[in-house]
Amino acid sequence: QVQLVESGGGLVKPGGSLRVSCAASGFTFSKYYMSWIRQAPGKGLEWISYISSSGDAINYADSVKGRFTISRDNAENSLYLQMDSLRAEDTAVYYCARAPRQWLLLNWFDPWGQGTLVTVSS
Amino acid sequence: QSALTQPASVSGSPGQSITISCTGTSSDVGNYDLVSWYQHHPGKAPRVIIYEGTKRPSGVSDRFSGSKSGNTASLTISGLQAEDEADYYCCSYAGSSIFVVFGGGTKVTVL
Repeated sequence: QVQLVESGGGLVKPGGSLRVSCAASGFTFSKYYMSWIRQAPGKGLEWISYISSSGDAINYADSVKGRFTISRDNAENSLYLQMDSLRAEDTAVYYCARAPRQWLLLNWFDPWGQGTLVTVSS
Repeated sequence: QSALTQPASVSGSPGQSITISCTGTSSDVGNYDLVSWYQHHPGKAPRVIIYEGTKRPSGVSDRFSGSKSGNTASLTISGLQAEDEADYYCCSYAGSSIFVVFGGGTKVTVL
């Protein structure tokens, strides 16, 4: 079945870096746009980045632009989010989510992973 | 503060209908028929239940329905069941640069 599994979360100090990963299975990963979405404790969801199926189209939310880098390895069926210059307000559960149709950037997400917690604290 | 405004909580008895509102602006909800809704049981992966305002993915119960009026979208759950107790989030397309914005979430309690 279609599955997304995030990993790599943990505790990091302000100003530090962390890379989270998303392992995809059950579908042809290379044909889908992928996104990262996060949820800070007690807050709503926030879309932070998407990447096209081939990796040549990328977009970021203003809140992470210049600090976070999305990438993918289609041979490894994996999505990544490199997070640099981390701040306390980046503390959140980070979800990866797939576009619902092949090749298309649609404005909804299906499916999602279960998330990985990133805590930024000294 | 989330871009879209949802009530923090809504409750209802089994069998009843409840409606969750999602208020945006003329730059998002009011400008596009592209609102999606997600159900999230804590600790699990969020699940889409409505997309493009009114459409249900296959496998989603027809007890869930979406609508929109002006800058406010709504999710109605009819015939409320215990398994519907979860957090619900709305999401709207907001243009090519911002892409999408989410609501702050609504906790649904089945009494």
